[in-house]
Amino acid sequence: DIQMTQSPSSLSASVGDRVTITCRSSQSINTYLSWCQQKPGKAPKVLISAASTLQSGVPSRFSGSGSGTDFTLTISSLQLEDFATYYCQQSYGTPLTFGQGTKVEIK
Amino acid sequence: QVDLVQSGAEVKKPGASVKISCKASGYTFTSSYMHWVRQAPGQGFEWMGIIKANGGSTRYGEKFQGRVTMTTDTSTATVFMELSSLRSDDTAVYYCAKGGVTYQYYIDYWGQGTLVTVSS
Repeated sequence: DIQMTQSPSSLSASVGDRVTITCRSSQSINTYLSWCQQKPGKAPKVLISAASTLQSGVPSRFSGSGSGTDFTLTISSLQLEDFATYYCQQSYGTPLTFGQGTKVEIK
Repeated sequence: QVDLVQSGAEVKKPGASVKISCKASGYTFTSSYMHWVRQAPGQGFEWMGIIKANGGSTRYGEKFQGRVTMTTDTSTATVFMELSSLRSDDTAVYYCAKGGVTYQYYIDYWGQGTLVTVSS
């Protein structure tokens, strides 16, 4: 199975901050990488697929980059509604696998 | 808009089976794929498998082979996931998640989740 490792596991930030989360895969996955956001008690929401393609309706302050084994999710200016847990997920091979999550908390 | 509505919470005893439904709307159901993913309390996500919505093919995660069955009902645009021989560590929120339009192994929408509690 392809292992996905996110860092950091949690971070504290203020509204307006630029936030960067990284995800590394145990083998090359080309750009078969998605990012999703999950708030407590809610279903995940897909933000980005194919490493950098913003899903419809997702604010442009979210962006993704990377290919191969190293990927980044960036929130350019953190908003109150962005405090949540973020997961990366690879779709290169089955089983699909997920990072352990990065919890973004209010500073 | 795409909507995936799952059936309600279940409480089951060890050794029993559970069958969860996921009713889809807002897109062309029969040409799509549906994933099932679970999340144990306070844990990460675990992929269980994928089914083509026209019922043509399934692919199950190795961990669940022999215990999981995914089926569809195209007349109601509903996908089902049945997990048998339940154990306490099957306690989790189970999600259906729609496969992407351009590539079925992308996930683009998630259902609201169904909590399954396995307890004697």
